Amino acid sequence: DAGVIQSPRHEVTEMGQEVTLRCKPISGHDYLFWYRQTMMRGLELLIYFNNNVPIDDSGMPEDRFSAKMPNASFSTLKIQPSEPRDSAVYFCASIRRGEAFFGQGTRLTVV
Amino acid sequence: AQSVTQLGSHVSVSEGALVLLRCNYSSSVPPYLFWYVQYPNQGLQLLLKYTTGATLVKGINGFEAEFKKSETSFHLTKPSAHMSDAAEYFCAVSEGTGNQFYFGTGTSLTVIP
Repeated sequence: DAGVIQSPRHEVTEMGQEVTLRCKPISGHDYLFWYRQTMMRGLELLIYFNNNVPIDDSGMPEDRFSAKMPNASFSTLKIQPSEPRDSAVYFCASIRRGEAFFGQGTRLTVV
Repeated sequence: AQSVTQLGSHVSVSEGALVLLRCNYSSSVPPYLFWYVQYPNQGLQLLLKYTTGATLVKGINGFEAEFKKSETSFHLTKPSAHMSDAAEYFCAVSEGTGNQFYFGTGTSLTVIP
């Protein structure tokens, strides 16, 4: 198994642009989590899905952030419009039997 | 509600010395407990986990942790630090099969030659 796959690994964009981050969870895992990591705030849970259904999005910072999981093998996190304070590393993790498996993350820089 | 407290955001040890990273949790149900390690520019990697059974669990790279229910602790130890152990370490708790993972704020381990 290739593990959790995130793309792109790095993204640099200008303020105001739309950014889409992608995640392919491990097959058979029924939970998917999106986290954001910054030096100031550490790891923050943004949203999580169970069987493709969003369960808790209370961590999504603003309406500019949205996440979808159209099927069991794909999820996206979209930021529109992006702002410099959104610069962070975004991680996706899939869960099975209570254990989380993380992707390598997407390092987003908004200039 | 569950929460995780990691005492000490930065820990420095000499190479060859004991590593002790502290983690305390709160949980209303029997918890699943985890330690993850994050190397620079990498994702989080599972170091070890406790679900049920033996309270002393061994992980990769010589690390181990002991689940102490009476102390609500799950401290991470390694008898002898190696330079390659320098990384960020996260303690996490979950209720078991699914639901949220609650992460601590992380402890940055520095190993001094």
